[in-house]
Amino acid sequence: NAGVTQTPKFQVLKTGQSMTLQCAQDMNHEYMSWYRQDPGMGLRLIHYSVGAGITDQGEVPNGYNVSRSTTEDFPLRLLSAAPSQTSVYFCASSRGGTSGSGYNEQFFGPGTRLTVL
Amino acid sequence: GENVEQHPSTLSVQEGDSAVIKCTYSDSASNYFPWYKQELGKRPQLIIDIRSNVGEKKDQRIAVTLNKTAKHFSLHITETQPEDSAVYFCAARYGNKLVFGAGTILRVKS
Repeated sequence: NAGVTQTPKFQVLKTGQSMTLQCAQDMNHEYMSWYRQDPGMGLRLIHYSVGAGITDQGEVPNGYNVSRSTTEDFPLRLLSAAPSQTSVYFCASSRGGTSGSGYNEQFFGPGTRLTVL
Repeated sequence: GENVEQHPSTLSVQEGDSAVIKCTYSDSASNYFPWYKQELGKRPQLIIDIRSNVGEKKDQRIAVTLNKTAKHFSLHITETQPEDSAVYFCAARYGNKLVFGAGTILRVKS
């Protein structure tokens, strides 16, 4: 199993550009999420999904869109990049989500380092 | 609100000493508290977790304690080694969301 994969690993954008960060998992996990990591601020939840066709907002959703058309993929779209979106982005997945019957380990992808000029 | 406070932000210990990191959470309904370790340039990885029906859990040199009345939980690392140097994050479950603390940079000096 490849686990959780993310592309690209590095990206530089200009202010106002749009792009999609890709995330895929091959563990048949129901729950997927996107975090951004900034120095001194830990991991902040952007959006999450408890299954295909279902998404919801996290702590810092503004400026980002997500969709979940399949169990495997959970892309994150930046609509109009801003310098404040310079960060490291992590995608994560877990079996059965963090609610319901299980409290399950979240597996993180390798991250995407995004710089917005 | 959904909040997790983590202290200290940095911690330096001598090899062989113990390290303790503390977190507090705001929602008494939270019932799942994992700890993640992130080495430099790597992804976070789960090292231990605790459910609210348990007061303490151990795994070799690491242990986590939970005080639901006071709404705080702590990570204890004994006999620290240089490879324990990393950033440690606590987290608490709020409904379908996992909310993380700001992290603790642990440096183990040999």
